[in-house]
Amino acid sequence: DAGVIQSPRHEVTEMGQEVTLRCKPISGHNSLFWYRQTMMRGLELLIYFNNNVPIDDSGMPEDRFSAKMPNASFSTLKIQPSEPRDSAVYFCASRGQLSLSSSGNTIYFGEGSWLTVV
Amino acid sequence: KQEVTQIPAALSVPEGENLVLNCSFTDSAIYNLQWFRQDPGKGLTSLLLIQSSQREQTSGRLNASLDKSSGRSTLYIAASQPGDSATYLCAFTGGGNKLTFGTGTQLKVEL
Repeated sequence: DAGVIQSPRHEVTEMGQEVTLRCKPISGHNSLFWYRQTMMRGLELLIYFNNNVPIDDSGMPEDRFSAKMPNASFSTLKIQPSEPRDSAVYFCASRGQLSLSSSGNTIYFGEGSWLTVV
Repeated sequence: KQEVTQIPAALSVPEGENLVLNCSFTDSAIYNLQWFRQDPGKGLTSLLLIQSSQREQTSGRLNASLDKSSGRSTLYIAASQPGDSATYLCAFTGGGNKLTFGTGTQLKVEL
C-alpha cells in the first residue's frame, strides 16, 4: 500500500482565497483524522471520521473550515476564506477498526500539506 | 480533558548514550498509546504501540512502557545514534476514539 496520500504537498495562497486539501487514506481503514501542526500549538485534532461519518469536529477552529468524506477513499479539508493565521502543516491520518491487536490500532500519517497564506 | 506532557522538551546527548523520554497523561481511561517520530519537514512515523492491557513493547533498540496507575509512559532508546535525531511524540487513544498528542521531545544525538 502507498500509505496515506495527501495533496498538495505545498501551497502558497493569498488571504481570502479558498484552499482545498485532499487525502486518500490507506485502503481498508475506516477512521480518518485531520490534524493541524504549528510551532505554537503543536498537533491539534481538527476532525475525525468513522466509516465516512464525521464523529467529532469540535477541533475545527471556525466556520471557515469544513471537511467532507464522500467515500471511504477520499476526504477534503476546505478553508474559505483563508487567513494568514491558517498557515500551518495539515496532516491526514488513517487507522483500521480498533481491536485487541496492537498492529490493527496503529495510526498512519500522510506527509502533510504545508500551507502558507500571505 | 486529556492533557499530555512530555519532558524534557529538548535533549542533546552524545552518540552511544542510553536515554529515556517521558510522557505523562491526566486521564487513565486510555485505550492505547503510541510513540511517534517526526523528522523535519516530514510526517509522523509510528514507532511503538502499547495496548492499555500491556505494560511494554519493544522494537530493536526501542522500548516503550506504560504505567496507567501513575499516568506515565517512557520511551527508552538504547545506544543512541545520530540517525535517532528527531522529534518524538507520544499520543493516546482515549474516549471517543480520539488520538491526543503530547508536546514532543526534540532529540539531538551528537557525534
